[in-house]
Amino acid sequence: KAGVTQTPRYLIKTRGQQVTLSCSPISGHRSVSWYQQTPGQGLQFLFEYFSETQRNKGNFPGRFSGRQFSNSRSEMNVSTLELGDSALYLCASSLGQDNKDTQYFGPGTRLTVL
Amino acid sequence: GQQLNQSPQSMFIQEGEDVSMNCTSSSIFNTWLWYKQEPGEGPVLLIALYKAGELTSNGRLTAQFGITRKDSFLNISASIPSDVGIYFCAGDMDSNYQLIWGAGTKLIIKP
Repeated sequence: KAGVTQTPRYLIKTRGQQVTLSCSPISGHRSVSWYQQTPGQGLQFLFEYFSETQRNKGNFPGRFSGRQFSNSRSEMNVSTLELGDSALYLCASSLGQDNKDTQYFGPGTRLTVL
Repeated sequence: GQQLNQSPQSMFIQEGEDVSMNCTSSSIFNTWLWYKQEPGEGPVLLIALYKAGELTSNGRLTAQFGITRKDSFLNISASIPSDVGIYFCAGDMDSNYQLIWGAGTKLIIKP
């Protein structure tokens, strides 16, 4: 079974621009969670989608948004990029029917904002 | 955002040594998870703990869910070179799919 895929793997943007990252979950998984990881920090939860609905949201500004499509693929968007948005963005998929379902992570998209 | 207190921040050990790391919080958790992340990869689940006092092993790895539900530890016995990586604890407070993460323990093995 194919794992979680994320595209692109690397991205360089400048301040003020916007960016869209994509995540394809494992087949059959309906939950997709997004995390931001910065050096020396743990993962910070952005949001979680299940069946095209945002089910949970972390403490990030409104510049960070996401959506999920009917095939469970998810995108996250960051508008008006700031230097501090440079990070590894990880998505994780799970069955989503029980909070004990294992989350499987993709390799991440490394975003650099100049 | 809220984080778990994970220690040590890094460990520099000899191959064959045992390793111990832990996570603590002032809050009660319903679930404790231990993940490992290698360069260029996302975290991979090693052990999941769901009950206070639970002790679970996965090969040379052993983890425990603290009896107070506010801490957890991970032990690795007889470390080998492929154990190198960053180990994260993660916890679920509200059973709402929102994991809270420690800052990680970087494990380095001396050649």
